[in-house]
Order: sequence, then C-alpha cells, then structure tokens
Amino acid sequence: EAGVAQSPRYKIIEKRQSVAFWCNPISGHATLYWYQQILGQGPKLLIQFQNNGVVDDSQLPKDRFSAERLKGVDSTLKIQPAKLEDSAVYLCASSLRLSDQETQYFGPGTRLLVL
Amino acid sequence: EDQVTQSPEALRLQEGESSSLNCSYTVSGLRGLFWYRQDPGKGPEFLFTLYSAGEEKEKERLKATLTKKESFLHITAPKPEDSATYLCARLNAGKSTFGDGTTLTVKP
Repeated sequence: EAGVAQSPRYKIIEKRQSVAFWCNPISGHATLYWYQQILGQGPKLLIQFQNNGVVDDSQLPKDRFSAERLKGVDSTLKIQPAKLEDSAVYLCASSLRLSDQETQYFGPGTRLLVL
Repeated sequence: EDQVTQSPEALRLQEGESSSLNCSYTVSGLRGLFWYRQDPGKGPEFLFTLYSAGEEKEKERLKATLTKKESFLHITAPKPEDSATYLCARLNAGKSTFGDGTTLTVKP
C-alpha cells in the first residue's frame, strides 16, 4: 500500500515570498492533517480535514497560511508571505476516519528554510 | 486542553543497556495514546496505539505500557539501529497533541 506522498521535499525561499506544499494521502483515508514541526519540537497541528471540509483550523495563522482539500483527496498548504519563523518541516498525515482511536500515518515532510 | 510531556529529552545508552522513556499527560480519560519513531529527515513512523489503562503492546525490543496518567516505552537490550527520536501523542476529539520527543542514542 502506498504511503502519504508529499512534495517538494525541500524548499528554500526568501522572506515575504510565497510557497505551496502538496500532499496526497493514503487511498481511502477520509481525514487529512497538516502539522508544523520546528527543530527539536514535536509536530504541532495546523489544520485537519474530514473529506473536503475543515474540522479544526484553530492553530492555523490565517493571516498568512491557507489550506484546501479539493475533492476530498489531495491537499495544498500555502504560506503567503513567509516569515523567518516559518522555517520548519511541514508534515502531512492521514487516517481512515476522524476518531480518537484512529492511527495517523505521516508523509516524509517538506523542509522549508526561509532566509 | 491536554498537555503531553516526555522525559528525558535525551537518553544515551550502551548497546544492551535497557531503559524506559516516559510520556505523561494532563487530561485523563479513554482516548488514544500513540507512540511514533522519527528518524532524522523523515516523518514519524507509527509504533503502537494504547487505549486503556493496563494495556501493553510489544514489538521486537520495544514494549509500550499505559496507566491513567502516563505511558512508558521500555527498550530491552537496545541496538544502535534503535537510535531515533521517540514521540508520543494523545488524541482528543480527533485533535492530536504531541510531546517534544525523547532522542535516544545507542552506542555500540
């Protein structure tokens, strides 16, 4: 079974530029998550989708971050404009359904460096 | 809101020297407790899910246990390939809270 796919794997941009990340979840997984992981810390949830609807985006900095999941499959996360503190790994995860007992499976992440 | 704390932050062991990692949380209740392994430059890899106090699960040299307020990841006779960061997470209404991890280094 194919895992969660993410691209690009690495991105270097200058502050105030825009960047977009793409995620393709495991086939059949209804729930999709975007996390931000700063070096030395655990992943922090940014947004989660159930099919193509947003379930929780309370920790998403909405003035600069946006995400969408059209057709309930692939998802994109955008940052516009980027700040130095956005340098982090952006992880996408998916699970079969929204449940406190459902395992989330992670992609390899996109490493973003903002100069 | 659940707070998840892992200790120690870093652990260095000799090959074969058994030890335990701790994951504690502030909100008790029946919900998933997850352990992940993360290697440098990679995404977290799922290890275990525990649901209820007293539950235990094993995989090779790893054994995870759960009480009402904390979980332990026991590593028996570790090998250098067990070196990684181990993360735990709790789910609440589908929203996950991760600890900052324990970085384990096993020296040959």
